[in-house]
Amino acid sequence: NAGVTQTPKFRVLKTGQSMTLLCAQDMNHEYMYWYRQDPGMGLRLIHYSVGEGTTAKGEVPDGYNVSRLKKQNFLLGLESAAPSQTSVYFCASRELAKNIQYFGAGTRLSVL
Amino acid sequence: EDKVVQSPLSLVVHEGDTVTLNCSYEVTNFRSLLWYKQEKKAPTFLFMLTSSGIEKKSGRLSSILDKKELFSILNITATQTGDSAVYLCAVGVDSNYQLIWGAGTKLIIKP
Repeated sequence: NAGVTQTPKFRVLKTGQSMTLLCAQDMNHEYMYWYRQDPGMGLRLIHYSVGEGTTAKGEVPDGYNVSRLKKQNFLLGLESAAPSQTSVYFCASRELAKNIQYFGAGTRLSVL
Repeated sequence: EDKVVQSPLSLVVHEGDTVTLNCSYEVTNFRSLLWYKQEKKAPTFLFMLTSSGIEKKSGRLSSILDKKELFSILNITATQTGDSAVYLCAVGVDSNYQLIWGAGTKLIIKP
């Protein structure tokens, strides 16, 4: 039972490059989330989705785009990476009826 | 504005000690409070509390919620070095798909 899987695990980008982070869940969860975590700042919500084909902005959406074309996948895109986007990115999912979110292992991104 | 505050921000104790971590909240339409443990990777779920005064317990960890005073505590007894982690508290509210996260308490257990 894989749960929530994130790829890649590590990535180094140069300023201005683009990339896509992939999140896949096999629990048939309706809701999916993308967070970033920086030292001393806890988890901050970037974007989330309440179902296939829907997305919404979280607390810190600027510089990121998302898509949820299939229920099991939630993609996070950086169109033009900036050093301020150096962070650890976590994806999470939850079922409709419960507040419990289940997390992937994270992607550590460095933007030089 | 909804907020969740955890204290202390960091704590260093010796193996075998008992620790109490605090989480206070100010939110509208409270639904649930969740505790997570985060080692060097993903946060993992520990407890979800929805009712006051009912203790949730798992081994040496326990947690309780006080909805009148708007806080929760997480207790860890007979601590072990494997308990070293960041403990995160989050609150869910009605009509909102998001969780409101605290900044976490970094717990270090010295052998």
